[in-house]
Amino acid sequence: QKEVEQDPGPLSVPEGAIVSLNCTYSNSAFQYFMWYRQYSRKGPELLMYTYSSGNKEDGRFTAQVDKSSKYISLFIRDSQPSDSATYLCAMSGNTGFQKLVFGTGTRLLVSP
Amino acid sequence: ETGVTQSPTHLIKTRGQQVTLRCSSQSGHNTVSWYQQALGQGPQFIFQYYREEENGRGNFPPRFSGLQFPNYSSELNVNALELDDSALYLCASSLGSPGLNTQYFGPGTRLTVL
Repeated sequence: QKEVEQDPGPLSVPEGAIVSLNCTYSNSAFQYFMWYRQYSRKGPELLMYTYSSGNKEDGRFTAQVDKSSKYISLFIRDSQPSDSATYLCAMSGNTGFQKLVFGTGTRLLVSP
Repeated sequence: ETGVTQSPTHLIKTRGQQVTLRCSSQSGHNTVSWYQQALGQGPQFIFQYYREEENGRGNFPPRFSGLQFPNYSSELNVNALELDDSALYLCASSLGSPGLNTQYFGPGTRLTVL
């Protein structure tokens, strides 16, 4: 079993839809949770960063962490065609050693 | 502020050869991490360098090695290339303070091994 599970998609939605992307994990030591967006043939771009449980909002993006269920989510409101990309969840433990463990990524397609 | 840069952009090698990939960290960052991303997969951690010393390693064989220089730039070296080494190699920089796990990635080097 992988430490981090993520549905690879693709997830196809119309423009303006609310998108929900999710990851589950097995390692209870994870304390830091991130979402990265990766366009085709580019490096990952940090979108959201959350420490421990709770919600964080930034513009159209909301990140949620439920440590009791080992489940994290990213919501995108009013999705745009420019949001079409692969979304990677990543997480790490609370040590001085900053190894990120990634999911496989979910490919999102937003159609006009 | 300068972001993370990597060179070269693309590289084609044959099995058994050696390759060196380069990374310049974001201004002010002293930690560099390297990841391998195979097609359709998430990045896999190779190793991390903090103040010129290896600070952790993933499940990669010793033929993957690295260096970090006094200016915090870094190199990834891979010896005896195998076909499965074909991937996007990503460098990420961060500030190595406890609790600050935000890593910023470069555009990557796409390595093809024939």
